[in-house]
Amino acid sequence: AQTVTQSQPEMSVQEAETVTLSCTYDTSENNYYLFWYKQPPSRQMILVIRQEAYKQQNATENRFSVNFQKAAKSFSLKISDSQLGDTAMYFCAFMKHSGMAGGGADGLTFGKGTHLIIQP
Amino acid sequence: GAGVSQSPSNKVTEKGKDVELRCDPISGHTALYWYRQSLGQGLEFLIYFQGNSAPDKSGLPSDRFSAERTGGSVSTLTIQRTQQEDSAVYLCASSLSGLGTGELFFGEGSRLTVL
Repeated sequence: AQTVTQSQPEMSVQEAETVTLSCTYDTSENNYYLFWYKQPPSRQMILVIRQEAYKQQNATENRFSVNFQKAAKSFSLKISDSQLGDTAMYFCAFMKHSGMAGGGADGLTFGKGTHLIIQP
Repeated sequence: GAGVSQSPSNKVTEKGKDVELRCDPISGHTALYWYRQSLGQGLEFLIYFQGNSAPDKSGLPSDRFSAERTGGSVSTLTIQRTQQEDSAVYLCASSLSGLGTGELFFGEGSRLTVL
């Protein structure tokens, strides 16, 4: 079974600052995906960024980037030039690559989340 | 609609009553998941449907919980004889068929409050 650990229950930074959210995971799998999801007060989980484990290059999406350290099983999210709209819960998630839609029965394993607050 | 649709958005019920929560996935998505999110917690896997195959019910917390998916599309999660510990947000997600792209698309959830 996989586990995902987010050690920061809550973080607060000033608008325009850079913030890094940490995530570690434990798995015996070699082929998998890692994700960061954002959950604003609307409750809908929104995919922020995705990383395939076989890719060494870190994924980036505009102001969002990851630092993927496969050997250390670490997957941190960096948000640059933070904005008020970035305030939300952020969840790190793991999915085993099973070749089936949505990762098959294992689906996603989530961490407990980090509540990020961007202060004006 | 274009996204995953869930209803009701909010449900308040009395302990002991039965509730039904509905999920309408994105058209063409064969995989469908139900998750439970309790206050301050991450997402807990409940059940998974893939096409017309038998569902994976390994995450259901008790036999009071059941789910079905009709015609490979709409799904209903039923909780019988609700208890206060069932209070949570119930999230539904769907995904495309074929080799897993890894992305699940979520609805906005149904918040259940058991008094």
